[in-house]
Amino acid sequence: QVELTQSPSASASLGASVKLTCTLSSGHSNYAIVWHQQQSEKGPRYLMKVNTDGSHAKGDGIPDRFSGSSSGAERYLTISSLQSDDEADYYCQTWGSGIVVFGGGTKLTVL
Amino acid sequence: QVQLQESGPGLVKPSETLSLTCAVSGYSISSGHYWGWIRRPPGKGPEWVATIYHSGYTYYNPSLKSRVTISVDTSKNQFSLKLTSVTAADTAVYYCARQPSGDYVDIWGQGTMVTVSS
Repeated sequence: QVELTQSPSASASLGASVKLTCTLSSGHSNYAIVWHQQQSEKGPRYLMKVNTDGSHAKGDGIPDRFSGSSSGAERYLTISSLQSDDEADYYCQTWGSGIVVFGGGTKLTVL
Repeated sequence: QVQLQESGPGLVKPSETLSLTCAVSGYSISSGHYWGWIRRPPGKGPEWVATIYHSGYTYYNPSLKSRVTISVDTSKNQFSLKLTSVTAADTAVYYCARQPSGDYVDIWGQGTMVTVSS
């Protein structure tokens, strides 16, 4: 069964860039994933789908500051020109063999 | 604009059944797509619960399958979740969601907090 691993926390300064990582478990490096953002007291929001080849498809209204990439079993979410409202929990999600799986999430703090 | 809104009791007693409904607006469930429930326990990441297609095809998280039923009512444009024999471990924010091809989520509801306590 596929599993997703994320670092519990990350931080970066206002205006800087940050790269969040989601790692697929062994044997599942060919899986696509999606990224979701959850700001405090709000429901989650779909950000983008990241494919094995690094191509990504963003949701409606997601700014160009958000981008996705891939390397081996790792899938990345890069946020550039950080703004205060980028401070949120970021979850990756994948699916396969009739199940849907989420990572534990990364809490991003904007300094 | 597709919107999803959860409703149901915020407090359920241990051993009882949790029942939630998700009303869909801006899109007819009969037109297609899959619809699902995801929960987020306090301090933890999200956990997928169940998914249903408008035709009634369902699939469940294996760890919850024995206690969960997801159903759809196309006439009311809504779908529902029942979780039996609840314990404190079922305390979570429950979200309903759209899963375009039964895989990833592309639209989320705002979520509803359900506490299991006597």
